[in-house]
Amino acid sequence: DADVTQTPRNRITKTGKRIMLECSQTKGHDRMYWYRQDPGLGLRLIYYSFDVKDINKGEISDGYSVSRQAQAKFSLSLESAIPNQTALYFCATSDRDRLYGYTFGSGTRLTVV
Amino acid sequence: AQKITQTQPGMFVQEKEAVTLDCTYDTSDQSYGLFWYKQPSSGEMIFLIYQGSYDEQNATEGRYSLNFQKARKSANLVISASQLGDSAMYFCAMTQLQGAQKLVFGQGTRLTINP
Repeated sequence: DADVTQTPRNRITKTGKRIMLECSQTKGHDRMYWYRQDPGLGLRLIYYSFDVKDINKGEISDGYSVSRQAQAKFSLSLESAIPNQTALYFCATSDRDRLYGYTFGSGTRLTVV
Repeated sequence: AQKITQTQPGMFVQEKEAVTLDCTYDTSDQSYGLFWYKQPSSGEMIFLIYQGSYDEQNATEGRYSLNFQKARKSANLVISASQLGDSAMYFCAMTQLQGAQKLVFGQGTRLTINP
């Protein structure tokens, strides 16, 4: 099994629908992140969490919310999806003591029609 | 704030040639880390190499080396003896090693290796 698992891998949804992207990890890392990738823009940080009670906004948090249900689980929600949220979404984890040890999930390709 | 700039949207190289992908960064931090990731067409992010700001030696990992020039704030990736499988998107990224440690990415460079 992958160290960082994202579900679903692909999703097509309609404008206005609520959708949740899920991320779970077996690395035992305390830090988890959600990134969005758009062509020509690289990966941009949406939200990050350093532990269950510590949630922080990234550079593009508008239109998104997150939930850290446990150390191993970090979910990203789009409350009312819009077409410009069509993108590739990545979950990542890291460990405070090994800062170069970022691990990425395989990504969720989301299309909002 | 940290910023990463990759000025080459696309690069075309002949197989077996060496290639250098450019990356410049901007930060006021003294303690930071620099990364390169590879993203093949399948989409996953593959870690290639890491350089800490206090590391005096340039990092190397097999065919990958990082040409770290701290005064110029550049962290170029050098791939020696390129292979067809090196065709992919490449991202430079950095993080603070203290405080809010978030990975910040550049826009990426699409590398195509021609046979």
